[in-house]
Amino acid sequence: AQSVTQLDSQVPVFEEAPVELRCNYSSSVSVYLFWYVQYPNQGLQLLLKYLSGSTLVESINGFEAEFNKSQTSFHLRKPSVHISDTAEYFCAVSASGNDMRFGAGTRLTVKP
Amino acid sequence: NAGVTQTPKFQVLKTGQSMTLQCAQDMNHNSMYWYRQDPGMGLRLIYYSASEGTTDKGEVPNGYNVSRLNKREFSLRLESAAPSQTSVYFCASSEAGGFNTGELFFGEGSRLTVL
Repeated sequence: AQSVTQLDSQVPVFEEAPVELRCNYSSSVSVYLFWYVQYPNQGLQLLLKYLSGSTLVESINGFEAEFNKSQTSFHLRKPSVHISDTAEYFCAVSASGNDMRFGAGTRLTVKP
Repeated sequence: NAGVTQTPKFQVLKTGQSMTLQCAQDMNHNSMYWYRQDPGMGLRLIYYSASEGTTDKGEVPNGYNVSRLNKREFSLRLESAAPSQTSVYFCASSEAGGFNTGELFFGEGSRLTVL
């Protein structure tokens, strides 16, 4: 079965600084990759996804992630974060179509 | 715009008690899911229902049962609650093939504590 490892449990950063949240996956077959965001006391929301085609995918609020097949990674980046980006971020992978595995999450805290 | 609605939002049980978590969606989605979220472990799939009338086990089904009551509703039952089932439970729904598209819509969660 596929699996996901998020390399950082917590990432503190100052407002307007760049950020990278790291995600590695393992799978013996082709994968679909996702990033979800969870704001306090809410459910998860899909942030962006890689299904096929361009390896660089973007969200509407300035995040981007790059699928790197050779390094089995799907890191999430934003060049300049805002206070409102404070949330928990989950990387997820689907390989078989019968399951979606989530990472343990990275808590991003943006400080003023 | 209700989306996915879960009840109750909070529940405290004693070991051995039973309870049912209710989930309803108003998006006419075919597929529905139950996940549990534990600190340091992310979300783990308990059961899912790819379409009305079908249910399948996920990664951690032991101790749980589900019922897809109709297209809108998908309930999760704990027959004999154990402290290990203390968790936050999320219901989600999607169009068919949600694991391939990633377009899962989540409810706000139900926080369950088993003493």
